[in-house]
Amino acid sequence: SQTIHQWPATLVQPVGSPLSLECTVEGTSNPNLYWYRQAAGRGLQLLFYSVGIGQISSEVPQNLSASRPQDRQFILSSKKLLLSDSGFYLCAWSRAGSRNTIYFGEGSWLTVV
Amino acid sequence: QKEVEQNSGPLSVPEGAIASLNCTYSDRGSQSFFWYRQYSGKSPELIMFIYSNGDKEDGRFTAQLNKASQYVSLLIRDSQPSDSATYLCAVFFGNEKLTFGTGTRLTIIP
Repeated sequence: SQTIHQWPATLVQPVGSPLSLECTVEGTSNPNLYWYRQAAGRGLQLLFYSVGIGQISSEVPQNLSASRPQDRQFILSSKKLLLSDSGFYLCAWSRAGSRNTIYFGEGSWLTVV
Repeated sequence: QKEVEQNSGPLSVPEGAIASLNCTYSDRGSQSFFWYRQYSGKSPELIMFIYSNGDKEDGRFTAQLNKASQYVSLLIRDSQPSDSATYLCAVFFGNEKLTFGTGTRLTIIP
């Protein structure tokens, strides 16, 4: 069966510091990978998605970036965090192809202070 | 802009009753529809998906889709306190982008 792992689960970072969130998927090959953010009291916002190694599509202009160095690894980064980057970050995966069910990791709570 | 609309609630339902959650979407060409449940502080988990007009049943859950009215709903029969959560409706617009509504908060009253 397929599993998705995301870490760290919780972090508190000062404004201006860097960020790295990591996600790996097991039990499948060539998955579609996603990063979503959920701000307090708001809906899920798609940040990035990837259909293959090195292929990243950005949905929202911002100071975040994503990379996919390996088939089942997806990384969300920032060089300098803003207060507005606080939120619940969710990595997700789906089978390759279109309109397949998306499954979420456990999520990472980020508080920028 | 393609949107998914849900009533934010809270929706309060007595234990044992039927909870009805509704969702509308803006793109008539959408083909795939999903319901997720999200407990407070946790990540969303898939409840069910529906692709065709009509009803789809899975245990106590029934999804209903009406593409002509651009409307999808989720019915929860015999509601339990453990069903208290936020329910997210999601729709595929285009090929790879799943768009979520803001969710309906459901509370089951014992």
